[in-house]
Amino acid sequence: QVQLQESGPGLVKPSETLSLTCTVSGGSISSGPYYWGWIRQHPGKGLEWIGYIYYSGNTYYNPSLQSRVTISVDTSKNQFSLRLSSVTAADTAVYYCARYCSTTRCPFDYWGQGTLVTVSS
Amino acid sequence: EIVLTQSPDFQSVTPKEKVTITCRASQSIGSNLHWYQQKPDQSPKLLIKFASQSFSGVPSRFSGSGSGTDFTLTINSLEAEDAATYYCHQSSSLPQTFGGGTKVEIK
Repeated sequence: QVQLQESGPGLVKPSETLSLTCTVSGGSISSGPYYWGWIRQHPGKGLEWIGYIYYSGNTYYNPSLQSRVTISVDTSKNQFSLRLSSVTAADTAVYYCARYCSTTRCPFDYWGQGTLVTVSS
Repeated sequence: EIVLTQSPDFQSVTPKEKVTITCRASQSIGSNLHWYQQKPDQSPKLLIKFASQSFSGVPSRFSGSGSGTDFTLTINSLEAEDAATYYCHQSSSLPQTFGGGTKVEIK
């Protein structure tokens, strides 16, 4: 059974960089054919797709965040990470990592529990 | 960007009633439409993939239909545990997008 767990600071100051890591257990990130994604949910709102990564490093980002977001992978640690720069209060959200069931045409079949990141001074 | 419009936004339903939630895409997405259930303070859970395929372990009262631009999630004989917000998600084109959600309340 694949499990995903987000980790990182719960409080980030405005203009700084939000950094989160998703640790995958119960399966290898580098075994393929799975893609891995980040999604966020503003308080009391719907879901926003951030982007995805493949273990080879292939990525795609939401154009609305593209200038500020980086998703990377560390296969040796079975982790992938999210960095979002120049954050503002509008980036306060619960951030989820998730696995695509195979290719990116697939849905997300496994999700982390989510981690709340608050942007505040 | 493909916009997914869900309706209704909110539905209050009596147990054992049938619930129908629709998701309309701003352009054709084939069958690349998936449904999730999210309960308060939990992460979303996959219910239906590719418009009509049930995900493993999902109760048979949940079903999906549609293709192209119009999709439906049906919950037959609603149970109290089905109180949640339901989201559709398109994976046809990038950026991927989600519907705004439909909150189902039990009367």
